[in-house]
Amino acid sequence: SQKIEQNSEALNIQEGKTATLTCNYTNYSPAYLQWYRQDPGRGPVFLLLIRENEKEKRKERLKVTFDTTLKQSLFHITASQPADSATYLCALDVDSSYKLIFGSGTRLLVRP
Amino acid sequence: EAQVTQNPRYLITVTGKKLTVTCSQNMNHEYMSWYRQDPGLGLRQIYYSMNVEVTDKGDVPEGYKVSRKEKRNFPLILESPSPNQTSLYFCASSLSGRGHPMYEQYFGPGTRLTVT
Repeated sequence: SQKIEQNSEALNIQEGKTATLTCNYTNYSPAYLQWYRQDPGRGPVFLLLIRENEKEKRKERLKVTFDTTLKQSLFHITASQPADSATYLCALDVDSSYKLIFGSGTRLLVRP
Repeated sequence: EAQVTQNPRYLITVTGKKLTVTCSQNMNHEYMSWYRQDPGLGLRQIYYSMNVEVTDKGDVPEGYKVSRKEKRNFPLILESPSPNQTSLYFCASSLSGRGHPMYEQYFGPGTRLTVT
């Protein structure tokens, strides 16, 4: 069956360290993969989009990689800050369509 | 200000009483979508629309209807709500459209629906 998986356990790290979040998928062939941030009770906010022919994308302290062979995306936040504490969601289009599937998200806690 | 608005933000209703949640965007986006979010299940797409009069089912369309008569509006209709439709609902819009690549989505603030 098709599925998209993110670590359900919270990631707890010290301020200043790099946070790495994982998004794995099976039985999809997405053309795009997106990462969103969600704070409690609020709508997700877009962070980064990476295309299937891109290996890596960066934006300020954020970096995302996309390995279509491993069917995996990694999302990195360098020099993490307590304000980065939130739930991070990955999303992909289903087989190059406009139907989107989201992972259930990984909660990140950055300790001061 | 570019935004997606939803109304109402909170709604408590009873089983079987038809309701509509409105969604509007002011960014001239072609793509609009509805999601529900439940603990442990994440965001699940209900319906999406590529443009006016074009709608498609997402992962969980049962029990929901949508319409796209105008580009800016995409209401979600529950003809006969049931308790299992109690959830947090999000509307989103995007520049994505048929023939265009996938772009990021802009989400509304959410509507918390309780069906008793």
